Amino acid sequence: GENVEQHPSTLSVQEGDSAVIKCTYSDSASNYFPWYKQELGKRPQLIIDIRSNVGEKKDQRIAVTLNKTAKHFSLHITETQPEDSAVYFCAASRDNYGQNFVFGPGTRLSVLP
Amino acid sequence: NAGVTQTPKFQVLKTGQSMTLQCAQDMNHNSMYWYRQDPGMGLRLIYYSASEGTTDKGEVPNGYNVSRLNKREFSLRLESAAPSQTSVYFCASSESSRAQYFGPGTRLLVL
Repeated sequence: GENVEQHPSTLSVQEGDSAVIKCTYSDSASNYFPWYKQELGKRPQLIIDIRSNVGEKKDQRIAVTLNKTAKHFSLHITETQPEDSAVYFCAASRDNYGQNFVFGPGTRLSVLP
Repeated sequence: NAGVTQTPKFQVLKTGQSMTLQCAQDMNHNSMYWYRQDPGMGLRLIYYSASEGTTDKGEVPNGYNVSRLNKREFSLRLESAAPSQTSVYFCASSESSRAQYFGPGTRLLVL
């Protein structure tokens, strides 16, 4: 089955700097890669997603890149702000159903003022 | 439009007690999921229902049962709670090939 690794497990950046979180996946048939942000005590919320037919997607300060050959995808946050502090989870899925939707272990991002 | 709702928000059980966690969604999604989240372990899939009338085991199904009552509702039952089931439980729903949307979670403490 699918296995998703995520690095780093913790990341601290100065406000205004960029943050990059990288995930690797094992199943070459995976074709959907969402990213979730989870603030302390809250539910995970989708922030951006990408499909395998696209190499990059941007939404304001957030971007995701996908390298299908290397089987990795990354989340890029520019001009970080204190409210970006949270745990970020990546996931990989073949068809968004059950067993094929696997989450990475998470990255705790701290944005220091 | 409430999205995904869960009850209760918090529950304390004694070892051996049973309880049912309720989940409902109003987004007309076909698929629903139950996850547990433990510190440092991310989200682990317990059971899922790809469509009304079907359920399947996920990564960690032991000790749990589920019921897809109708398209809107998906419940998770602990028949005999154990301390190892202390966790935060999230329900989620999705439409095919689209992102999952999560409920607010249920914090369960088993003594």
